[in-house]
Parts: sequence; structure tokens; C-alpha cells
Amino acid sequence: DGGITQSPKYLFRKEGQNVTLSCEQNLNHDAMYWYRQDPGQGLRLIYYSQIVNDFQKGDIAEGYSVSREKKESFPLTVTSAQKNPTAFYLCASSRQPVGDQPQHFGDGTRLSIL
Amino acid sequence: GESVGLHLPTLSVQEGDNSIINCAYSNSASDYFIWYKQESGKGPQFIIDIRSNMDKRQGQRVTVLLNKTVKHLSLQIAATQPGDSAVYFCALEGNAGGTSYGKLTFGQGTILTVHP
Repeated sequence: DGGITQSPKYLFRKEGQNVTLSCEQNLNHDAMYWYRQDPGQGLRLIYYSQIVNDFQKGDIAEGYSVSREKKESFPLTVTSAQKNPTAFYLCASSRQPVGDQPQHFGDGTRLSIL
Repeated sequence: GESVGLHLPTLSVQEGDNSIINCAYSNSASDYFIWYKQESGKGPQFIIDIRSNMDKRQGQRVTVLLNKTVKHLSLQIAATQPGDSAVYFCALEGNAGGTSYGKLTFGQGTILTVHP
């Protein structure tokens, strides 16, 4: 089945450690997105990529980094500079970045601090 | 700035009732609207969308209504079932300076609980 796979489902980070969250899609979508969800809140955009080898900051990019070396992959690194990383991280993709296309989501990675 | 909000954070209904979930938005340039359903521990699931040149769109047991005059969006679920229990989010997309890149703004969500 086509879809978006996020891994791991749960992740723990130690102080001063960088961690990388994986997102893979086999939908042949051009655009990919990373969101952060905090309890009782909506989704906030961290980074997005419209095409391979290109990405832009979203609303809350500080303390995060991404890469887009392949169309199907958009990994997110939570760096030690992100002081409040505990959240539910969601990856999404859409057929084209120009709008009027729904984003489809993976099942998320829950990141916690040890 | 742009904001998206919900009138009711929680909604509790009986099985078989119709449910209405509301969403108010502030950006009059918004041109595309989506409703998502999110179950516990999972990612949002696409339900239905509507473009700004429409005021109503129907799916299977769901209807989305858009009132651009008052900047209000609603999701109606007919014959609500226990499996409909979830958090429902509205999301909207505006045209950012003529370069629309699919950026969505999400509301905070409404918790729908359906009692058997």
C-alpha cells in the first residue's frame, strides 16, 4: 500500500544529543512537510520541501534541521539547540506544492527527553 | 497574523445523532480548506476538502459548509458512530503573496466523543 512511514514510533533523547526522525513516502509526492504537535494543540510547521535538494523554514524551525536528498525521504534532526523537544512529530506529503492538494500524514514519532 | 479557531473544544453526542463541528478563520485570502480526523496516537487522516469557489461539498456521511462572508467552516457528520470518536481539525491554506506552497494553518481541534 502507498503511504508515509515514520520511524521510530517512540524516541528518547538525552541532554545535548541530536536525534534524527525518519520519514519515507512511496506516494511519488513532490512536497514533504514536518509538523510538531503539542498536547491539546494544532499542528505547527517546522520545515517543508517542495522539491528534491530544496527546503524552507516553517514557523518554528529553530533547533531543527532537515535534508531532502531523495524524493521519497525527508529526515528531521532535532538538535541540542531545541530546548523543548518533547512533542509528537508528524511528517506529511502532498502531490504538488502549489496548493489545493491535501497533505497526507504518517502516524508520527513521539519524542521524549530522558 | 492568521489564526484559526474552534467554537467548541469538545463535543459529546449519542450514536446515531448528527454532529456539527465548527471552525472560524481570520484570513479572508484563504482559498482551500480541509478537515482532518486524528485518532489517539495516529496522524491526521484526510476527511474532506473544499475550495473557496464552493459553499458546500458532500462526502460519505460528511458535509462541509463554507461561509466566506463570516469566515466560518463547519463539518457535519450524519448518523455519528462510535468509530467517529476522535479529534477533528480544520486546516486552511492561503495564497502567500502569489506563491502558494501548500502551507496549511491548523486549528486547535475539537474532541468528538460518541456514546453508544
